[in-house]
Amino acid sequence: QVHLVESGGGVAQPGTSLRLSCVASGFTLSRYGMHWVRQAPGKGPEWVAAISSDGSSIYYVDSVKGRFTISRDNSKNTLSLQMSSLRLEDTAVYYCVRGPTYLITYFDSWGQGTPVTVSS
Amino acid sequence: DIQMTQSPSSLSASVGDRVTITCRASHAVGYYLAWYQQRPGKPPELLIYAASTLQSGVRESRFSGSGSGTDFTLTINSLQPEDVATYYCQRYNTAPPDFGPGTKVDIK
Repeated sequence: QVHLVESGGGVAQPGTSLRLSCVASGFTLSRYGMHWVRQAPGKGPEWVAAISSDGSSIYYVDSVKGRFTISRDNSKNTLSLQMSSLRLEDTAVYYCVRGPTYLITYFDSWGQGTPVTVSS
Repeated sequence: DIQMTQSPSSLSASVGDRVTITCRASHAVGYYLAWYQQRPGKPPELLIYAASTLQSGVRESRFSGSGSGTDFTLTINSLQPEDVATYYCQRYNTAPPDFGPGTKVDIK
């Protein structure tokens, strides 16, 4: 059974950093593209970043380019999102998500999410 | 950019009713359309991909999808109390993938 568990969320001030982590189990992580998708309070999901199965290709939504960094360690079954220069509009629940492929993909497994609140 | 819209934004129906939700893309997306169910306080769950393919493990076969190009439909046959949720469509024909604004379904 696919299991994705996020951690690292919390309250942060604007301009500061947070690092989110996701531990994957129940499947071979190295065979899948992985993603971070966020959902602001009362809003629909918003895709944030993607990383290919071997980590060689990465893609970000424009609003986080230059501020967020996605990475993975297939040997440790982990996915990470380093978030810097946080803004109020980054407040959301962040989900670790599996896609059958890297970019042209739907999302077939979701973690429970970790909340991030950016507030002064 | 391709814009995704959904209608209605919310609906209330009786148990046993047939419910139809529409998703429209501003430009053709082929069959690259998925549907998700999000129950309150839970993450989204994939129901349908490729416009009409039921995701493995989705036990409720009363869900079905149809459409192609710009117009898509999610149908719930015989609405049940556990179907109370918000339903989102998502296009994935190009990057970045994009979600619709959602349709909230309630029991009357």
